[in-house]
Amino acid sequence: GESVGLHLPTLSVQEGDNSIINCAYSNSASDYFIWYKQESGKGPQFIIDIRSNMDKRQGQRVTVLLNKTVKHLSLQIAATQPGDSAVYFCAEILTNYGGSQGNLIFGKGTKLSVKP
Amino acid sequence: EPEVTQTPSHQVTQMGQEVILRCVPISNHLYFYWYRQILGQKVEFLVSFYNNEISEKSEIFDDQFSVERPDGSNFTLKIRSTKLEDSAMYFCASSETGIGEQFFGPGTRLTVL
Repeated sequence: GESVGLHLPTLSVQEGDNSIINCAYSNSASDYFIWYKQESGKGPQFIIDIRSNMDKRQGQRVTVLLNKTVKHLSLQIAATQPGDSAVYFCAEILTNYGGSQGNLIFGKGTKLSVKP
Repeated sequence: EPEVTQTPSHQVTQMGQEVILRCVPISNHLYFYWYRQILGQKVEFLVSFYNNEISEKSEIFDDQFSVERPDGSNFTLKIRSTKLEDSAMYFCASSETGIGEQFFGPGTRLTVL
């Protein structure tokens, strides 16, 4: 049969509000996680990363939280701006100094829409 | 700021034809990757490349695909006989260490007719 594309979850927020985007990752052995932002027609752009020995990491206006117990990542964006509108992907890596070169496994993505 | 570049931005080809997608990774990076993204779907890993050889490849990267670093700057993905289902955005990425941030290029949109 004909395949269909994934229906992206959408988060719609008002400009100035905080946004929380969630992601469930697949491999409990993954030890490095990255959030990417993808604007229409462009490649993924790095936002923030976190290693598995941490629970929280903060950047400029962004915070990533990692809950290894339930294999859950979240990205918090403070004071969301129209320029934050994009699709956000979490990605996981199982780093293996003896083998794997850190291939990213991407999640399904969430579309963030910011209303002015 | 250094960036990954890709050419062409859009490639249209007939089914069965060969295509070569080109990438120039960031100059001091040693690890190179190709990913693809079918319209509306998530980004999927194809292949990683280090020290002039393939490090790892996914199930998607079958015998129709090959990668090459023909000189000190370019990194290419070749599809020998394109199929309709090869239509996708193809992203090149590079990394300095292989275990940290991967920098993505803007992508090449491949359309197979």
